Amino acid sequence: EDQVTQSPEALRLQEGESSSLNCSYTVSGLRGLFWYRQDPGKGPEFLFTLYSAGEEKEKERLKATLTKKESFLHITAPKPEDSATYLCAVNDAAGNKLTFGGGTRVLVKP
Amino acid sequence: ETGVTQTPRHLVMGMTNKKSLKCEQHLGHNAMYWYKQSAKKPLELMFVYNFKEQTENNSVPSRFSPECPNSSHLFLHLHTLQPEDSALYLCASSQGDLAGGYEQYFGPGTRLTVT
Repeated sequence: EDQVTQSPEALRLQEGESSSLNCSYTVSGLRGLFWYRQDPGKGPEFLFTLYSAGEEKEKERLKATLTKKESFLHITAPKPEDSATYLCAVNDAAGNKLTFGGGTRVLVKP
Repeated sequence: ETGVTQTPRHLVMGMTNKKSLKCEQHLGHNAMYWYKQSAKKPLELMFVYNFKEQTENNSVPSRFSPECPNSSHLFLHLHTLQPEDSALYLCASSQGDLAGGYEQYFGPGTRLTVT
């Protein structure tokens, strides 16, 4: 059974204090790993898809990386508007499941 | 309207009621999904539709009944729910189904409370 574990559960940062979120996964063949951002009272917003180990993608202050067992979401010099819950999900090789982790709640204080 | 829309945004229903949730996507996608998001639990995939055909039912109780009349609309019919069914129900769509590894785009959700 596919498993996705995100850590930490919650992260408090000062504005400008860079940090990383972890997504560890166990999957029977990875078809894709997805990162989403979710604001309170809203649906998740797509950020990145990573398909193979060594792949990296960037968007503004966010950078996602992938190894064979985990993915990291690096937040560089965060701003208060980066406060949200960040979700990681994996799609297995059979292609008929998308398994989400529990998320990391990020709070960036000015 | 743009993206994925859901109605109603909030719903309170008794255990004996029948209600329906509606989802519409304006992205020209072919696959649509229902998810359940409960407090302190990860997002759970409930149903998958690809080109109007149901391709996945994740062991969801029969009191939840999905309907997909076309690639743009998705419904979730609810009857005789239990209090533990209270949650945020999210609809999503993607260009192709899960086998294609496509990213999903989510609606704002319907906050359901069962009393």
